[in-house]
Amino acid sequence: QKEVEQDPGPLSVPEGAIVSLNCTYSNSAFQYFMWYRQYSRKGPELLMYTYSSGNKEDGRFTAQVDKSSKYISLFIRDSQPSDSATYLCAMRALAGGTSYGKLTFGQGTILTVHP
Amino acid sequence: GAVVSQHPSWVICKSGTSVKIECRSLDFQATTMFWYRQFPKQSLMLMATSNEGSKATYEQGVEKDKFLINHASLTLSTLTVTSAHPEDSSFYICSARPDYANTGELFFGEGSRLTVL
Repeated sequence: QKEVEQDPGPLSVPEGAIVSLNCTYSNSAFQYFMWYRQYSRKGPELLMYTYSSGNKEDGRFTAQVDKSSKYISLFIRDSQPSDSATYLCAMRALAGGTSYGKLTFGQGTILTVHP
Repeated sequence: GAVVSQHPSWVICKSGTSVKIECRSLDFQATTMFWYRQFPKQSLMLMATSNEGSKATYEQGVEKDKFLINHASLTLSTLTVTSAHPEDSSFYICSARPDYANTGELFFGEGSRLTVL
């Protein structure tokens, strides 16, 4: 079993739809949770960053973390064609040392928003 | 936001040659950087953790003699693919953790696409 599971999709939605992206994980030590957006042939771009359980909202994006269920979500409201990309969840434990910051990624979900 | 620059963005080389990829943090210092490899439609695979002033820590299954990492300064890490072969063709991405961020937040470069003929 992978430490982080993410449905690769692909997911296709009409413009204006609400998009829900999810990841589950098995390592209870994970404390920091991130969502990255990656356009084709580009590096990942950090979208949302949350610590522990709770919600965080930034514009059209809302990230939710439920540590009791080991489940995180990213919601995109009023989706736009420019949101078409691969969305990667990532997480890490609270640890120090030389590997501080080492992330474990989900497989990524390919999203297409069509006009 | 913090900017990480990678160079070159793409490179084509002949089998048997070595290729160097640079990763620079432009507006922050980064004691720790990470190198990833990504195959088409797959997630990022961590290759190694690069630490300024010390040897890199490689993930299991990654050949340290094949993928040489040098973290020469607080703003520069390099990955050298030695004696490259077609199976080394891939998308290589670096990330950097700003020293000022105690939350482990990472910023990624744009990636370098390597094609070995």
